[in-house]
Amino acid sequence: GAVVSQHPSRVICKSGTSVKIECRSLDFQATTMFWYRQFPKQSLMLMATSNEGSKATYEQGVEKDKFLINHASLTLSTLTVTSAHPEDSSFYICSAPGGRAAYNEQFFGPGTRLTVL
Amino acid sequence: DQQVKQNSPSLSVQEGRISILNCDYTNSMFDYFLWYKKYPAEGPTFLISISSIKDKNEDGRFTVFLNKSAKHLSLHIVPSQPGDSAVYFCAASDAGGGADGLTFGKGTHLIIQP
Repeated sequence: GAVVSQHPSRVICKSGTSVKIECRSLDFQATTMFWYRQFPKQSLMLMATSNEGSKATYEQGVEKDKFLINHASLTLSTLTVTSAHPEDSSFYICSAPGGRAAYNEQFFGPGTRLTVL
Repeated sequence: DQQVKQNSPSLSVQEGRISILNCDYTNSMFDYFLWYKKYPAEGPTFLISISSIKDKNEDGRFTVFLNKSAKHLSLHIVPSQPGDSAVYFCAASDAGGGADGLTFGKGTHLIIQP
């Protein structure tokens, strides 16, 4: 099946710093990738849709200037959490549609645990 | 406002028996539904999906049933195995045939007891 990787898997940073998370589709191309966030005991919440070659589209309530998304190529999307604060601590997961015939079968990365001190 | 609801935070089932996980939704525009399995600190893994034009889809031990009039779907796992212990997320899409971000429920933690 299709594989999506994320890097880093875990990051701890100081408040006010910026953190970049990479999402790669390893064996397929993805013109679209999705970024989700999951707080403890909550569902995965869609943050934004990353579009290769164009601007990302953000869900309501998600600050685009705080969560910068760059879809640099057909296999790479990056999420940069700028000026991170403790309330940004969460589990960030990306996904990409692809692989099998089901048009909306999405493959998820392993996630990145962000802890802001 | 939770558009996809999984009202059971956890479910305990004996090995070999049937596990039934339930999911309700409120958005009538949803036309595609998916079930994902998730282990701690890992991304979700796709299990099975169903289009709104169907009422049943089966894949090995996993069967998903969709009742559109009740806006309800369920995932049946039979027979349940210890490796099935995980959190199961129900997800929905209104993409109408295209790829789109998914709306997830809060998940149900399935525990298979030996």
